[in-house]
Amino acid sequence: SAVISQKPSRDICQRGTSLTIQCQVDSQVTMMFWYRQQPGQSLTLIATANQGSEATYESGFVIDKFPISRPNLTFSTLTVSNMSPEDSSIYLCSVGGLAGGLRTDTQYFGPGTRLTVL
Amino acid sequence: GQQLNQSPQSMFIQEGEDVSMNCTSSSIFNTWLWYKQDPGEGPVLLIALYKAGELTSNGRLTAQFGITRKDSFLNISASIPSDVGIYFCAGQLNPNTGNQFYFGTGTSLTVIP
Repeated sequence: SAVISQKPSRDICQRGTSLTIQCQVDSQVTMMFWYRQQPGQSLTLIATANQGSEATYESGFVIDKFPISRPNLTFSTLTVSNMSPEDSSIYLCSVGGLAGGLRTDTQYFGPGTRLTVL
Repeated sequence: GQQLNQSPQSMFIQEGEDVSMNCTSSSIFNTWLWYKQDPGEGPVLLIALYKAGELTSNGRLTAQFGITRKDSFLNISASIPSDVGIYFCAGQLNPNTGNQFYFGTGTSLTVIP
């Protein structure tokens, strides 16, 4: 499996501000994803982070609210923009893909970023 | 999106008991994964299943990929307190048409010493 780190691990933010979450992998992976997990809920896919091109967003998520960057095969960022209390969640990065010896039909998760918006 | 029905929603068991949980879908999946999530942590992959009928073990954990490819189960034998957490199933339809995994609603496990 890959070693995945996320920064920050947690943050408390004010309404209307933005937070950028970083995801770093210790090996090159073809697939990187961002998920949101609201309190007591399951995981919801926000988008697939595509290297060198715009991310692919799932229904209900838009680029203006959740801009994503993926400059290379080991790093991605997710920004939560113009935050409101409803954005309070755990945000999770996951990876998969053959470039890192990982199968495309398996995903590994980072430790998550716990965001609280006041 | 795809719906994965996971049951039971929660379980309270005595230490030493066996546990069984399952996941069902109306769609055919090519891959089933089982994760455990501890409070404040990301999900950790427990078992991956890639073929219908496949039965795979990881220590006290055993999972099976249903023959119909629409379901999977996870068993935990002789539960211990550190088994406490939330268990999620995840299914992938077809890695060639998209790599998205769909997640179950989770089973919360409490082990009473």
